[in-house]
Amino acid sequence: GDSVTQMEGPVTLSEEAFLTINCTYTATGYPSLFWYVQYPGEGLQLLLKATKADDKGSNKGFEATYRKETTSFHLEKGSVQVSDSAVYFCALIPGAGSYQLTFGKGTKLSVIP
Amino acid sequence: EAGVAQSPRYKIIEKRQSVAFWCNPISGHATLYWYQQILGQGPKLLIQFQNNGVVDDSQLPKDRFSAERLKGVDSTLKIQPAKLEDSAVYLCASSLVGGSNNEQFFGPGTRLTVL
Repeated sequence: GDSVTQMEGPVTLSEEAFLTINCTYTATGYPSLFWYVQYPGEGLQLLLKATKADDKGSNKGFEATYRKETTSFHLEKGSVQVSDSAVYFCALIPGAGSYQLTFGKGTKLSVIP
Repeated sequence: EAGVAQSPRYKIIEKRQSVAFWCNPISGHATLYWYQQILGQGPKLLIQFQNNGVVDDSQLPKDRFSAERLKGVDSTLKIQPAKLEDSAVYLCASSLVGGSNNEQFFGPGTRLTVL
């Protein structure tokens, strides 16, 4: 079945460091891909998305590119801030009549001053 | 615009007891979802409603879990009887309609602890 694998956490970075959180997926069709973020004490929020190959999603300085050849959707940010500390979830919707969001296990990011 | 509301925020019960969670989606959103998020894992879809009809309940443990959305707005999720492994955060989400291009908006969740 469809699945998402993302890098294990927790990840601890210093402020202004470069961030990469790896995400790969398995899907039979052409899924849409998402990154969700969960800040402490808050609900899940959509961070960015990409709906077809080579699309780049971006928001709040974060970027991810839909790579069909490597089945990947890695999340990157050039300079993290303390306020980016949160849990990040990679997810997919398979499409082709199935609209169920399938999530990865999440990666906890802590940014220290 | 008000977000997705859920109550209660926390619930502690003993195994074999019953519990119910309530969700009020964003006004005008036809599609409502219930997810289960076990500690250390990503959310897992339990059931999806389109208005007051069930679209997908393939991962709902129907022997103990039930959900309804009678008037196509609010929804309740019930567990009867609860087991230890039901300890999790139960998330409600809504979207304008189903589909990959329609963003799902999540509520804050209900944290259930089964002792």
